[in-house]
Amino acid sequence: GAGVSQTPSNKVTEKGKYVELRCDPISGHTALYWYRQSLGQGPEFLIYFQGTGAADDSGLPNDRFFAVRPEGSVSTLKIQRTERGDSAVYLCASSTLAGEVDTQYFGPGTRLTVL
Amino acid sequence: DAKTTQPPSMDCAEGRAANLPCNHSTISGNEYVYWYRQIHSQGPQYIIHGLKNNETNEMASLIITEDRKSSTLILPHATLRDTAVYYCIVRAFFGNEKLTFGTGTRLTIIP
Repeated sequence: GAGVSQTPSNKVTEKGKYVELRCDPISGHTALYWYRQSLGQGPEFLIYFQGTGAADDSGLPNDRFFAVRPEGSVSTLKIQRTERGDSAVYLCASSTLAGEVDTQYFGPGTRLTVL
Repeated sequence: DAKTTQPPSMDCAEGRAANLPCNHSTISGNEYVYWYRQIHSQGPQYIIHGLKNNETNEMASLIITEDRKSSTLILPHATLRDTAVYYCIVRAFFGNEKLTFGTGTRLTIIP
């Protein structure tokens, strides 16, 4: 079946601009996660949705970052007034949250470059 | 989530078993050990998880010590496609749903 998809695969923008990154989770997965990965580092948690609501947004670095999931499926990560330090690969994952073991399935990521 | 310690890099000859160690000395009784890997330019991929018993699936085996303070991921017959960064993660069940990645072990399979 189809896995997690993310669009665009690459995004180049200028400092100060606004960007939106999209994630399409696996159909039926109730949980959705956003992570950010800088070069040479492991992925870093940003936010987690259970259904439509953000259950944990403790990883968002500041108020320039915001994410929504209005219908409990597709999610959009929004970054305002981008800075060069926002350059990274943004990863999305989804899971079923069935039982006590939760396997997260990751998308290929969006590589964001802020010039 | 408890912190894990992994060697930064390892090499393994193609066709041999790759044994990747992980220390998690502060693991709690309600925390699982998960392994993910990330092939270049792809998202992380789930490999296996365990609580206290050894586990095996089509990808790998996971050996957890009796005191649960360390574990080893075993790829029984490594191929070139197993070249990746391997992450060992400990994570509680029923809560704290995020995964906390370290820097992992970069495994290179040598032809």
